[in-house]
Amino acid sequence: AQSVTQLGSHVSVSEGALVLLRCNYSSSVPPYLFWYVQYPNQGLQLLLKYTTGATLVKGINGFEAEFKKSETSFHLTKPSAHMSDAAEYFCAVSVTGRRALTFGSGTRLQVQP
Amino acid sequence: DAGVTQSPTHLIKTRGQHVTLRCSPISGHKSVSWYQQVLGQGPQFIFQYYEKEERGRGNFPDRFSARQFPNYSSELNVNALLLGDSALYLCASSLESESYNEQFFGPGTRLTVL
Repeated sequence: AQSVTQLGSHVSVSEGALVLLRCNYSSSVPPYLFWYVQYPNQGLQLLLKYTTGATLVKGINGFEAEFKKSETSFHLTKPSAHMSDAAEYFCAVSVTGRRALTFGSGTRLQVQP
Repeated sequence: DAGVTQSPTHLIKTRGQHVTLRCSPISGHKSVSWYQQVLGQGPQFIFQYYEKEERGRGNFPDRFSARQFPNYSSELNVNALLLGDSALYLCASSLESESYNEQFFGPGTRLTVL
């Protein structure tokens, strides 16, 4: 079975500061990894995904994540936070043959002016 | 192009009642998945349907059922509602059923059980 752990349920950064949201996964087979963002009263929007190939994945809105197999991690980063980045962020994992995404519990990002 | 749509937006029911939630996928998408998101938690997988057949089921009781119609829209039914069923129910559609395909989520139906 797969699982996801997101360290830090709340993260607060200043506008312009580095954003780092942590995600560790557990999977006995090669995983597919995803980051989703959820704004208040909205559904989830895909930021980026890793399936195969290059381990550094670039997504929308300036976000990127690096798949590190040795550390079983897929941390999300953005060099400079913007006020509009304030939202809930979810890391998710799946594997071949499994239809479902397994989500972490989420990290709420606050951006201070 | 329209995204995934869900109806109703909000719903209030009492314990023991049953509820039907509806989802229309993005045009051309044949796969629909349902997730339950309890306040403060990540979404949990309930069902996936592809080409009108159930392709996956999460760890939910038999009170939860779903179906997919020939136009690929879907319904989620929950019988004998419990207080713990209060949650945001999300529908997601994708082109194919494999999980590496991007899933596009709708805005959800907020169900409150009193």
